[in-house]
Amino acid sequence: GESVGLHLPTLSVQEGDNSIINCAYSNSASDYFIWYKQESGKGPQFIIDIRSNMDKRQGQRVTVLLNKTVKHLSLQIAATQPGDSAVYFCAENMGDSNYQLIWGAGTKLIIKP
Amino acid sequence: DADVTQTPRNRITKTGKRIMLECSQTKGHDRMYWYRQDPGLGLRLIYYSFDVKDINKGEISDGYSVSRQAQAKFSLSLESAIPNQTALYFCATGDGPGGYTFGSGTRLTVV
Repeated sequence: GESVGLHLPTLSVQEGDNSIINCAYSNSASDYFIWYKQESGKGPQFIIDIRSNMDKRQGQRVTVLLNKTVKHLSLQIAATQPGDSAVYFCAENMGDSNYQLIWGAGTKLIIKP
Repeated sequence: DADVTQTPRNRITKTGKRIMLECSQTKGHDRMYWYRQDPGLGLRLIYYSFDVKDINKGEISDGYSVSRQAQAKFSLSLESAIPNQTALYFCATGDGPGGYTFGSGTRLTVV
């Protein structure tokens, strides 16, 4: 079946450096992609999204890149801070009216002081 | 107050017991979702509802049932809890393709 997966289960980054979290997807019909952040003891929190007709979108300290040719999605976090420590999930949506999401397994981001 | 409130936050129950997890939202959205999260895994959809009269099974609905009492309320029941239903359960609401708002979760342990 179709799935969304992440290349690395854990990523360690020095505080102040940039973080790059990767995600591969397999459904070429997916129309919409979302990144969520889940801190310990909390529910997932929406970070940023991107539609399939875009290849880049920027937010506050975050950038999402979409490469439809290789079905790859990445989340870049600039100047990583301790508060960025969390598990990051990518999710995809088929773009139909059901709005159901297919979730990846998550990448744990660890910030080294 | 939180946009999505789940109760209880933690629950330990015995095998075979019936248990209900409750969710309420103040976002005014029609769509509500119940997800299950197991350690090291992503979220899996149990049930979803597009409005009060519309209930749909998700990926892993066996062993679960839901009730949409009102636009703002969506409860999840385990009719006869079993140990492999031990997990973190999340309720979410949304009115678009993916910008969901999640509750803080219910940690359920079945012993």
